[in-house]
Amino acid sequence: QSALTQPASVSGSPGQSITISCTGTSSDISGYKYVSWYQQHPGKAPKLMIYDVTNRPSGVSSRFSGSKSGNSASLTISGLQTEDEGDYYCSSWMAINTFAFGTGTKVTVL
Amino acid sequence: EVQLVESGGGLVQPGGSLRLSCAASGFTFSSYWMTWVRQAPGEGLEWVANINRDGSEKNYVDSVKGRFTISRDSSTNSLYLQMNNLRAEDTAVYFCARDGNNVNDFDHWGQGTLVTVSS
Repeated sequence: QSALTQPASVSGSPGQSITISCTGTSSDISGYKYVSWYQQHPGKAPKLMIYDVTNRPSGVSSRFSGSKSGNSASLTISGLQTEDEGDYYCSSWMAINTFAFGTGTKVTVL
Repeated sequence: EVQLVESGGGLVQPGGSLRLSCAASGFTFSSYWMTWVRQAPGEGLEWVANINRDGSEKNYVDSVKGRFTISRDSSTNSLYLQMNNLRAEDTAVYFCARDGNNVNDFDHWGQGTLVTVSS
């Protein structure tokens, strides 16, 4: 049950696009279409932003999009805004109904 | 409105026990898998355990197997985490989360309860 690998930090200017990667193995990301992404602001609970690789829950901005290729998944934030600052975590379903989270990425808006 | 409210956290000595509770409201509790996720101070999220709709299937991260027990009570819409033989590395904020309809993500979260294991 190893954590998925994410970059520690990603930054961008307002209006730019950034992409956060999430690297796993054949036991998780590449084996299933069950990758989700969470946003967490300091002292707050995580919030679901993307599920099943590409789907956005109701109420989540269309500026957030997800994709997957092989052992890696990605979250792209377009038109970066100051409220997008925070920590982002990927998660993947694994065999036998268990899950793994990514190591987390701190997003900074310059 | 879906609400999840955790309670039961606190300071406990190494080797001690604690029982966390999560009160659920705003949805049909018995229709959803439920999960516990923890976050050590300054660290990332760690999936801890989940339980299926009727409580017949329970899964755990390796580091808590044999020490933690997840359970649920649909008569009171409550989720529990019994934690025994606690270690310093169990210190974390523990979040209760509802699994999504496809059981592949966590679509609602509580605010968390802090567990501190220290002498």
